Amino acid sequence: QVQLVQSGAEVKEPGASVKVSCKASGYTFTHYYIYWVRQAPGQGLEWVGMIDPNDDNTRYAQKFQGRFTMTRDTSTSTVYMELSSLTSEDTAVYYCARGRAGDYWGQGTLITVSS
Amino acid sequence: QSALTQPASVSGSPGQSITISCTGTSSDVGGNNYVSWYQQHPGKAPKVMIYEVSNRPSGVSNRFSGSKSGNTASLTISGLQAEDEADYYCSSYASGNTWVFGGGTKLTVL
Repeated sequence: QVQLVQSGAEVKEPGASVKVSCKASGYTFTHYYIYWVRQAPGQGLEWVGMIDPNDDNTRYAQKFQGRFTMTRDTSTSTVYMELSSLTSEDTAVYYCARGRAGDYWGQGTLITVSS
Repeated sequence: QSALTQPASVSGSPGQSITISCTGTSSDVGGNNYVSWYQQHPGKAPKVMIYEVSNRPSGVSNRFSGSKSGNTASLTISGLQAEDEADYYCSSYASGNTWVFGGGTKLTVL
């Protein structure tokens, strides 16, 4: 069965970086884009960016461009999202999802930015 | 301000049907069939209820249905149950491999 399993929660200080992983299984990894979405406390869902595991092409929402970097490792069917220069406003749950249809989602990774 | 427009809240009594709308543009909702709906209970991850406008994932009740007309997509829940009370979000694929979301709708079961 299709699964997206994300890495565990992290607590970081302002200015630090963090890398979140999303490991795919149950389908051909390179056949579907991976999208990232975040949800700040008490807020709605917000699109962060996407990566094409087939050729490593990425696209980011304008507000995240420059600080967020998405990569993939085809040998382990894993996508990574690195967030740099963290601020308290980056405190949120981050989700990965499969394909343009978003038919499968990971369980979410809580990133807390606090001094 | 969200790219897709949803009503902030809807309500209905058990057994009734309700519909949540999601209005976008020809660049997103109206331009493709990658519209999805998510249910989110407090403190939980979003659950995919509908994808590609009207497809239900395995395990989702057939009380949930999706449709689209022009730039507006709709989620209909029939035979409303107490457990349906949650926040509902719509999303759409948009040009350039992007996604856009609605602001969310709080469903109250009276």
